[in-house]
Amino acid sequence: DTGVSQNPRHKITKRGQNVTFRCDPISEHNRLYWYRQTLGQGPEFLTYFQNEAQLEKSRLLSDRFSAERPKGSFSTLEIQRTEQGDSAMYLCASRGISKSNTEAFFGQGTRLTVV
Amino acid sequence: AQTVTQSQPEMSVQEAETVTLSCTYDTSESDYYLFWYKQPPSRQMILVIRQEAYKQQNATENRFSVNFQKAAKSFSLKISDSQLGDAAMYFCAYRRGNEKLTFGTGTRLTIIP
Repeated sequence: DTGVSQNPRHKITKRGQNVTFRCDPISEHNRLYWYRQTLGQGPEFLTYFQNEAQLEKSRLLSDRFSAERPKGSFSTLEIQRTEQGDSAMYLCASRGISKSNTEAFFGQGTRLTVV
Repeated sequence: AQTVTQSQPEMSVQEAETVTLSCTYDTSESDYYLFWYKQPPSRQMILVIRQEAYKQQNATENRFSVNFQKAAKSFSLKISDSQLGDAAMYFCAYRRGNEKLTFGTGTRLTIIP
């Protein structure tokens, strides 16, 4: 296992189109997190899963955003009716919870540009 | 709500010198974790160092060390013998228990050869 994998790395879409991103976590990690990072800012939390259960969603996650983690493996983040304000880097991270101090490992992110 | 503040948007240091990055945070919790993450231009976030709030001893990892002042809610990162590969964005982050990370806005570190 080589770490957290995110696809695609880059996505350019027209305003109003739907987009879907995929995250494959480290296989033994049962926690999976999505963050959004705009230029010059730190990552902002969007949502997280423990196995297949979505445990928390940020207020940033409008009704145009939906995330799933079927079977507790990979996760998808879908944005419907994209807006220019959705342009950002979308980061995925995973961690185990066998010990409370385990670190989160991040993927390289998916850069979304809405034109 | 927990907040993390990094007041230095940019810092620069001569190669081989020492630099300190500042971070303050706000929380009413007593049990939490603090982290410094490095994000090079390739954009993948990498953990630099971690501090458990219940530990009084400051964490160290090779050339990286922290100054954790719990009462002052301060968590600074010291990088000794700076190297060109240390150039990156550095983010301070807070985590309560097994929950999400809350990040600061970052400090861009430039290494001057």
